[in-house]
Amino acid sequence: GESVGLHLPTLSVQEGDNSIINCAYSNSASDYFIWYKQESGKGPQFIIDIRSNMDKRQGQRVTVLLNKTVKHLSLQIAATQPGDSAVYFCAEKDHTDKLIFGTGTRLQVFP
Amino acid sequence: DAGVTQSPTHLIKTRGQQVTLRCSPKSGHDTVSWYQQALGQGPQFIFQYYEEEERQRGNFPDRFSGHQFPNYSSELNVNALLLGDSALYLCASSLAPQNTGELFFGEGSRLTVL
Repeated sequence: GESVGLHLPTLSVQEGDNSIINCAYSNSASDYFIWYKQESGKGPQFIIDIRSNMDKRQGQRVTVLLNKTVKHLSLQIAATQPGDSAVYFCAEKDHTDKLIFGTGTRLQVFP
Repeated sequence: DAGVTQSPTHLIKTRGQQVTLRCSPKSGHDTVSWYQQALGQGPQFIFQYYEEEERQRGNFPDRFSGHQFPNYSSELNVNALLLGDSALYLCASSLAPQNTGELFFGEGSRLTVL
């Protein structure tokens, strides 16, 4: 069935280092992918998205990479800050317009 | 400009009871989706409402039902509550159903079933 999973449930990084959060997806029909950040007690917040006709997209301090060959998605955060501490979800969308979320990776930033 | 607002923020029910959760979408949005997020898990799609009708549905039983009003606000109803229904219920809005990627989420209603 459809699934979106993450390789690492918890990622700890030092402030100022770069963070890489990985995600695997299984639905080859998915054509749109999104990364969300969820802080404690809040709803998911959109970070960055990418369509299946692209393999890289950059935002402010964040980059998303898409490898359709191996069905892999990653989120890179440059110069990680304490405010980046949260749970990060990847999500995929297919033709049905609903989002399928992964289980999340917790990012912990220490000084 | 108010974002997505949900009420109540927290509530406690007992097994077998019924619950109604409410959502007001972001100003200008006409599509509302509901998600269930169990502790430590990603959100799971329940259903989506557009033009006051359920447009699509995830793998949830008929105990889960909803409604969308002419002002685009929405309700989620859960009947015959089970312990496993304890979760954070998230409402998300977008401008048109196909703009699912541009979802704005509320902060959720935390339901505890005892």
